[in-house]
Amino acid sequence: GQNIDQPTEMTATEGAIVQINCTYQTSGFNGLFWYQQHAGEAPTFLSYNVLDGLEEKGRFSSFLSRSKGYSYLLLKELQMKDSASYLCAVMDSNYQLIWGAGTKLIIKP
Amino acid sequence: GAVVSQHPSRVICKSGTSVKIECRSLDFQATTMFWYRQFPKQSLMLMATSNEGSKATYEQGVEKDKFLINHASLTLSTLTVTSAHPEDSSFYICSARRTDTEAFFGQGTRLTVV
Repeated sequence: GQNIDQPTEMTATEGAIVQINCTYQTSGFNGLFWYQQHAGEAPTFLSYNVLDGLEEKGRFSSFLSRSKGYSYLLLKELQMKDSASYLCAVMDSNYQLIWGAGTKLIIKP
Repeated sequence: GAVVSQHPSRVICKSGTSVKIECRSLDFQATTMFWYRQFPKQSLMLMATSNEGSKATYEQGVEKDKFLINHASLTLSTLTVTSAHPEDSSFYICSARRTDTEAFFGQGTRLTVV
């Protein structure tokens, strides 16, 4: 079957760095997405990785290793507004998105 | 970036009535749109895939007669929750596909059935 795993919840301190991991097993691979979702709102796109390596976009970076079925989202200089759920999603061979359950990130002052 | 507009953002309806939710791609044509449902503290659950000009493809366990999907044009898909019950209360989100690897979300609709 298809499976996306990510931690349920993480806590970090304002100004620090946090890494949210995602491992996946899917039928085919056409890219991995990270979304941010604040409570009660729709997800917003953060990053898309289809090749191995690190993609940096401001305070957020996303890494992919296709051979390991592994990705992480790295958030630097954490701000209180970064408190949200972070969803990992993999696009399979049919271009369908397979969603992880999301990681709730709690930022403490 | 591309814009997808979902309307209404919030709706309260009485049990037994029907509610229509619209999803529009404002600056691109979307041959495929997706409808998701999200329960509190849970991830998105794909309900159905809507293709312009053809019948929607429903995921296992989703009642197609209860959740009517119409994708009448390249920029509009609608989800109608028929004979709504309190257990249908949820957050419904659409997304519109611009290319194979690009999909954009609407703002979501909070449905409360009383």
